[in-house]
Amino acid sequence: GAGVSQSPRYKVAKRGQDVALRCDPISGHVSLFWYQQALGQGPEFLTYFQNEAQLDKSGLPSDRFFAERPEGSVSTLKIQRTQQEDSAVYLCASSLYGQGSNQPQHFGDGTRLSIL
Amino acid sequence: GQQVMQIPQYQHVQEGEDFTTYCNSSTTLSNIQWYKQRPGGHPVFLIQLVKSGEVKKQKRLTFQFGEAKKNSSLHITATQTTDVGTYFCRLRGDSSYKLIFGSGTRLLVRP
Repeated sequence: GAGVSQSPRYKVAKRGQDVALRCDPISGHVSLFWYQQALGQGPEFLTYFQNEAQLDKSGLPSDRFFAERPEGSVSTLKIQRTQQEDSAVYLCASSLYGQGSNQPQHFGDGTRLSIL
Repeated sequence: GQQVMQIPQYQHVQEGEDFTTYCNSSTTLSNIQWYKQRPGGHPVFLIQLVKSGEVKKQKRLTFQFGEAKKNSSLHITATQTTDVGTYFCRLRGDSSYKLIFGSGTRLLVRP
Protein backbone atom coordinates (compact mmCIF):
# COMPACT_ATOMS: atom_id res chain seq x y z
CA GLY A 1 0.00 0.00 0.00
CA ALA A 2 0.90 3.64 -0.10
CA GLY A 3 1.64 3.87 3.59
CA VAL A 4 1.48 2.06 6.90
CA SER A 5 -2.10 1.29 7.82
CA GLN A 6 -3.30 0.68 11.38
CA SER A 7 -6.68 -0.41 12.61
CA PRO A 8 -8.76 0.39 14.44
CA ARG A 9 -7.98 4.11 14.76
CA TYR A 10 -9.74 4.21 18.11
CA LYS A 11 -10.47 1.45 20.57
CA VAL A 12 -12.32 1.70 23.84
CA ALA A 13 -12.29 -1.31 26.11
CA LYS A 14 -13.25 -2.09 29.66
CA ARG A 15 -10.54 -2.99 32.11
CA GLY A 16 -9.86 -6.69 31.94
CA GLN A 17 -10.84 -7.14 28.31
CA ASP A 18 -8.45 -8.34 25.63
CA VAL A 19 -7.68 -6.16 22.60
CA ALA A 20 -5.98 -6.73 19.26
CA LEU A 21 -4.38 -3.98 17.23
CA ARG A 22 -3.47 -4.46 13.59
CA CYS A 23 -0.65 -3.04 11.51
CA ASP A 24 -0.32 -3.38 7.75
CA PRO A 25 3.17 -2.13 6.80
CA ILE A 26 4.31 -0.78 3.47
CA SER A 27 4.47 -3.63 1.00
CA GLY A 28 7.89 -5.24 0.87
CA HIS A 29 9.18 -3.64 4.06
CA VAL A 30 11.27 -6.08 6.04
CA SER A 31 11.36 -4.29 9.39
CA LEU A 32 8.35 -3.63 11.58
CA PHE A 33 8.31 -1.82 14.93
CA TRP A 34 5.66 -1.27 17.59
CA TYR A 35 5.78 1.77 19.86
CA GLN A 36 3.63 3.00 22.72
CA GLN A 37 3.14 6.75 23.00
CA ALA A 38 1.63 8.29 26.09
CA LEU A 39 0.21 11.80 25.93
CA GLY A 40 3.00 14.38 25.74
CA GLN A 41 5.74 11.76 25.57
CA GLY A 42 7.95 10.31 22.88
CA PRO A 43 7.27 6.92 21.32
CA GLU A 44 8.48 4.11 23.58
CA PHE A 45 9.90 1.04 21.85
CA LEU A 46 7.92 -2.16 22.37
CA THR A 47 9.14 -4.73 19.88
CA TYR A 48 10.83 -5.32 16.53
CA PHE A 49 10.25 -7.83 13.72
CA GLN A 50 12.49 -8.66 10.81
CA ASN A 51 10.14 -10.44 8.43
CA GLU A 52 8.34 -12.98 10.63
CA ALA A 53 11.07 -13.16 13.28
CA GLN A 54 10.62 -11.19 16.47
CA LEU A 55 14.20 -10.17 17.17
CA ASP A 56 13.65 -7.80 20.07
CA LYS A 57 10.75 -7.72 22.50
CA SER A 58 12.57 -6.07 25.34
CA GLY A 59 10.18 -3.11 25.43
CA LEU A 60 7.00 -5.09 26.04
CA PRO A 61 5.81 -3.90 29.49
CA SER A 62 4.54 -7.25 30.73
CA ASP A 63 3.57 -10.74 29.66
CA ARG A 64 0.09 -9.38 28.93
CA PHE A 65 1.54 -7.90 25.75
CA PHE A 66 2.08 -10.17 22.79
CA ALA A 67 2.96 -9.39 19.17
CA GLU A 68 3.16 -11.53 16.08
CA ARG A 69 3.87 -11.24 12.39
CA PRO A 70 3.31 -14.78 11.16
CA GLU A 71 3.79 -14.24 7.41
CA GLY A 72 6.23 -11.38 7.56
CA SER A 73 3.74 -8.72 6.54
CA VAL A 74 0.72 -7.84 8.70
CA SER A 75 1.40 -7.67 12.43
CA THR A 76 -0.93 -7.84 15.42
CA LEU A 77 -0.28 -6.47 18.89
CA LYS A 78 -2.43 -8.15 21.49
CA ILE A 79 -2.97 -6.95 25.01
CA GLN A 80 -4.62 -9.32 27.46
CA ARG A 81 -6.50 -8.34 30.61
CA THR A 82 -6.13 -4.65 29.82
CA GLN A 83 -5.45 -2.16 32.59
CA GLN A 84 -5.93 1.59 32.72
CA GLU A 85 -2.20 2.24 32.37
CA ASP A 86 -2.36 0.58 28.94
CA SER A 87 -4.25 3.62 27.64
CA ALA A 88 -2.01 5.23 25.01
CA VAL A 89 -1.51 5.57 21.29
CA TYR A 90 0.08 2.48 19.77
CA LEU A 91 2.20 3.29 16.74
CA CYS A 92 3.46 0.90 14.12
CA ALA A 93 6.40 1.73 11.86
CA SER A 94 8.10 -0.08 9.01
CA SER A 95 11.43 0.20 7.23
CA LEU A 96 12.52 -1.22 3.92
CA TYR A 97 15.49 -3.29 5.02
CA GLY A 98 16.31 -5.43 8.01
CA GLN A 99 18.79 -4.54 10.74
CA GLY A 100 20.68 -1.30 11.00
CA SER A 101 19.46 2.03 12.27
CA ASN A 102 20.26 4.00 9.13
CA GLN A 103 16.86 3.87 7.49
CA PRO A 104 13.84 6.09 7.82
CA GLN A 105 10.90 4.65 9.72
CA HIS A 106 7.47 5.13 8.17
CA PHE A 107 4.72 5.41 10.74
CA GLY A 108 1.04 4.64 10.66
CA ASP A 109 -1.54 6.96 12.19
CA GLY A 110 -1.68 4.81 15.31
CA THR A 111 -4.43 3.25 17.37
CA ARG A 112 -5.66 5.32 20.30
CA LEU A 113 -6.53 2.85 23.06
CA SER A 114 -8.65 3.94 25.99
CA ILE A 115 -9.25 1.60 28.90
CA LEU A 116 -12.22 2.44 31.08
CA GLY B 1 22.12 1.31 29.04
CA GLN B 2 21.60 3.91 26.38
CA GLN B 3 20.10 7.15 27.64
CA VAL B 4 18.92 10.11 25.59
CA MET B 5 18.01 13.56 26.79
CA GLN B 6 16.22 16.11 24.66
CA ILE B 7 15.87 19.75 25.66
CA PRO B 8 13.96 21.93 26.04
CA GLN B 9 10.73 20.09 26.74
CA TYR B 10 8.76 22.79 25.02
CA GLN B 11 9.26 26.24 23.57
CA HIS B 12 6.77 28.96 22.75
CA VAL B 13 8.03 31.52 20.22
CA GLN B 14 6.72 34.46 18.28
CA GLU B 15 6.44 33.84 14.57
CA GLY B 16 9.70 34.91 12.97
CA GLU B 17 11.86 34.00 15.96
CA ASP B 18 14.40 31.20 15.82
CA PHE B 19 14.11 27.84 17.57
CA THR B 20 16.62 25.18 18.59
CA THR B 21 16.24 21.75 20.14
CA TYR B 22 19.09 19.63 21.43
CA CYS B 23 19.51 15.89 21.73
CA ASN B 24 22.20 14.37 23.95
CA SER B 25 23.21 10.73 24.12
CA SER B 26 25.08 8.90 26.84
CA THR B 27 27.01 6.91 24.23
CA THR B 28 28.64 7.53 20.87
CA LEU B 29 26.18 7.17 18.02
CA SER B 30 26.56 5.64 14.59
CA ASN B 31 23.87 7.95 13.29
CA ILE B 32 20.93 10.02 14.44
CA GLN B 33 17.60 10.84 12.85
CA TRP B 34 15.11 13.63 13.40
CA TYR B 35 11.33 13.37 13.16
CA LYS B 36 8.47 15.84 13.35
CA GLN B 37 5.05 15.00 14.76
CA ARG B 38 2.22 17.43 14.15
CA PRO B 39 -0.57 17.61 16.75
CA GLY B 40 -2.78 14.54 16.28
CA GLY B 41 -0.41 13.10 13.69
CA HIS B 42 2.35 10.54 13.54
CA PRO B 43 6.13 11.02 13.45
CA VAL B 44 7.48 11.92 10.03
CA PHE B 45 11.11 11.44 9.07
CA LEU B 46 13.05 14.66 8.45
CA ILE B 47 16.70 13.76 8.09
CA GLN B 48 19.57 11.48 9.06
CA LEU B 49 23.06 12.51 10.18
CA VAL B 50 25.97 10.09 10.02
CA LYS B 51 29.32 11.86 9.98
CA SER B 52 31.06 13.61 12.85
CA GLY B 53 30.43 17.36 12.69
CA GLU B 54 27.97 16.94 9.83
CA VAL B 55 25.66 19.86 9.01
CA LYS B 56 22.63 19.51 6.76
CA LYS B 57 20.09 22.09 5.74
CA GLN B 58 16.50 21.84 4.59
CA LYS B 59 15.23 25.31 3.75
CA ARG B 60 14.93 27.03 7.16
CA LEU B 61 15.96 23.91 9.12
CA THR B 62 19.60 23.23 10.01
CA PHE B 63 20.65 19.92 11.52
CA GLN B 64 24.01 19.34 13.16
CA PHE B 65 25.80 16.26 14.48
CA GLY B 66 28.38 16.87 17.18
CA GLU B 67 32.07 16.19 16.68
CA ALA B 68 32.00 13.40 19.25
CA LYS B 69 28.78 11.99 17.74
CA LYS B 70 27.05 12.13 21.11
CA ASN B 71 24.80 15.10 20.51
CA SER B 72 22.79 16.76 17.79
CA SER B 73 20.75 19.87 17.26
CA LEU B 74 17.92 21.09 15.07
CA HIS B 75 17.67 24.81 14.43
CA ILE B 76 14.77 26.54 12.71
CA THR B 77 15.32 30.04 11.39
CA ALA B 78 12.40 32.47 11.34
CA THR B 79 9.72 30.10 12.55
CA GLN B 80 6.35 29.92 10.86
CA THR B 81 3.04 28.61 12.15
CA THR B 82 3.52 25.56 9.93
CA ASP B 83 6.51 24.60 12.10
CA VAL B 84 4.23 23.82 15.04
CA GLY B 85 4.66 20.28 16.32
CA THR B 86 6.95 18.10 18.39
CA TYR B 87 10.45 17.37 17.19
CA PHE B 88 12.06 14.09 18.17
CA CYS B 89 15.54 12.72 17.79
CA ARG B 90 15.83 9.01 17.18
CA LEU B 91 18.84 6.82 17.81
CA ARG B 92 19.83 3.25 18.38
CA GLY B 93 19.28 1.83 21.84
CA ASP B 94 20.95 -1.09 23.54
CA SER B 95 20.59 -3.43 20.60
CA SER B 96 20.80 -3.14 16.82
CA TYR B 97 17.04 -3.39 16.56
CA LYS B 98 15.93 -1.19 19.43
CA LEU B 99 15.45 2.27 17.93
CA ILE B 100 14.52 4.77 20.60
CA PHE B 101 13.17 8.31 20.58
CA GLY B 102 13.96 11.26 22.72
CA SER B 103 11.18 12.78 24.79
CA GLY B 104 10.70 15.48 22.18
CA THR B 105 10.58 19.26 22.10
CA ARG B 106 7.17 20.74 21.55
CA LEU B 107 7.23 23.92 19.50
CA LEU B 108 4.39 26.42 19.70
CA VAL B 109 4.41 29.46 17.39
CA ARG B 110 2.39 32.60 18.09
CA PRO B 111 1.19 34.22 14.86
